[in-house]
Amino acid sequence: EAGVAQSPRYKIIEKRQSVAFWCNPISGHATLYWYQQILGQGPKLLIQFQNNGVVDDSQLPKDRFSAERLKGVDSTLKIQPAKLEDSAVYLCASSLQELAGEQFFGPGTRLTVL
Amino acid sequence: GNSVTQMEGPVTLSEEAFLTINCTYTATGYPSLFWYVQYPGEGLQLLLKATKADDKGSNKGFEATYRKETTSFHLEKGSVQVSDSAVYFCALRDRGSTLGRLYFGRGTQLTVWP
Repeated sequence: EAGVAQSPRYKIIEKRQSVAFWCNPISGHATLYWYQQILGQGPKLLIQFQNNGVVDDSQLPKDRFSAERLKGVDSTLKIQPAKLEDSAVYLCASSLQELAGEQFFGPGTRLTVL
Repeated sequence: GNSVTQMEGPVTLSEEAFLTINCTYTATGYPSLFWYVQYPGEGLQLLLKATKADDKGSNKGFEATYRKETTSFHLEKGSVQVSDSAVYFCALRDRGSTLGRLYFGRGTQLTVWP
């Protein structure tokens, strides 16, 4: 079974530029999560989708971050414009069930904002 | 609120040494508790979990017991191997919530020398 795929693996941009990350969850997984992991900290949830609907975006900085999952499968996370403090690893995870299901994580995208 | 506190790293051990990584939590409800492991260049993987008080999670020689009275979930292994070198994250999920959000600790880097 293929795992959660993410791309790109690394991205370097300058502040005020835009960037987008892509995630393809495990086939059949209805729930998809985006986490932000700042160096030296644990991952923090940004947004959670159930199929193509948002169920939790309370921690998403909506003035600059956006995410979509149009067909209930893969998802994109966008930052526009980026700030220095957005430098982090962005992790995508998916699970079969919303509450009880184990979350499977992708390898992450490491973003550096200069 | 919900939060997880892990012991500071890094932890450096010789092969076959005993490992303990401390984890304590604060939760508004009755959480499920997890340990995730992140090997270099890979995504987070679930190592073990416990869903109620006094449950013991175990996997690959690692164990952790859900202690409600001390709000702790310490990770232990009797004899570590070089291949155990990784970052270990303690996490909780609020079982009273309809959402699947995980709350992570900062992570503890473990290095095992031969």
